[in-house]
Amino acid sequence: AQTVTQSQPEMSVQEAETVTLSCTYDTSESDYYLFWYKQPPSRQMILVIRQEAYKQQNATENRFSVNFQKAAKSFSLKISDSQLGDAAMYFCAYRRNNAGNMLTFGGGTRLMVKP
Amino acid sequence: NAGVMQNPRHLVRRRGQEARLRCSPMKGHSHVYWYRQLPEEGLKFMVYLQKENIIDESGMPKERFSAEFPKEGPSILRIQQVVRGDSAAYFCASSPSVGRGGNEQFFGPGTRLTVL
Repeated sequence: AQTVTQSQPEMSVQEAETVTLSCTYDTSESDYYLFWYKQPPSRQMILVIRQEAYKQQNATENRFSVNFQKAAKSFSLKISDSQLGDAAMYFCAYRRNNAGNMLTFGGGTRLMVKP
Repeated sequence: NAGVMQNPRHLVRRRGQEARLRCSPMKGHSHVYWYRQLPEEGLKFMVYLQKENIIDESGMPKERFSAEFPKEGPSILRIQQVVRGDSAAYFCASSPSVGRGGNEQFFGPGTRLTVL
């Protein structure tokens, strides 16, 4: 079974600084997707960024980028120029590509942004 | 195009009562997923449905829980004889299809169930 681990229950960052959230996963599959979701206090799940395992290039979305290390099964999220609105729970998620679309989530990291 | 709708947003039940949670997927989406989020935890997959079919219910508790996605109308997650341990946020997500292409799952706002 696939598992996703986020080893940092909480992280804090100064506004305008950069922070990296860690995620590791375990799978025997070679074809899969990885995601980072943001969950603000409203509890709405918002997709931040996605990475396809067969693509070597790291995904980027504006201030958000990932460091995808397939051999190490590591998928970290870097947030640059942190803003107060980035404060939220962040969940790493895995989805294999050959049977349905169900997501396996990590336990989450709470990000606090200090003004 | 309205997003995924869930209702009610908050539901309070006493132990032993039934809880019915509704999910209307985005227009054009025929795949629905239910996830449960216990306090201070990540989301856990429960069940995956297409219209009139349960595709994967491997994450669903064997007793008291059931789900359906009829030809017409919303998907329903039903919890019979609720217990305090059922208190959680229940999220529904929908997607247009499966397979390569990474079809994104669009999440609803969730239903927070509180069992007294």
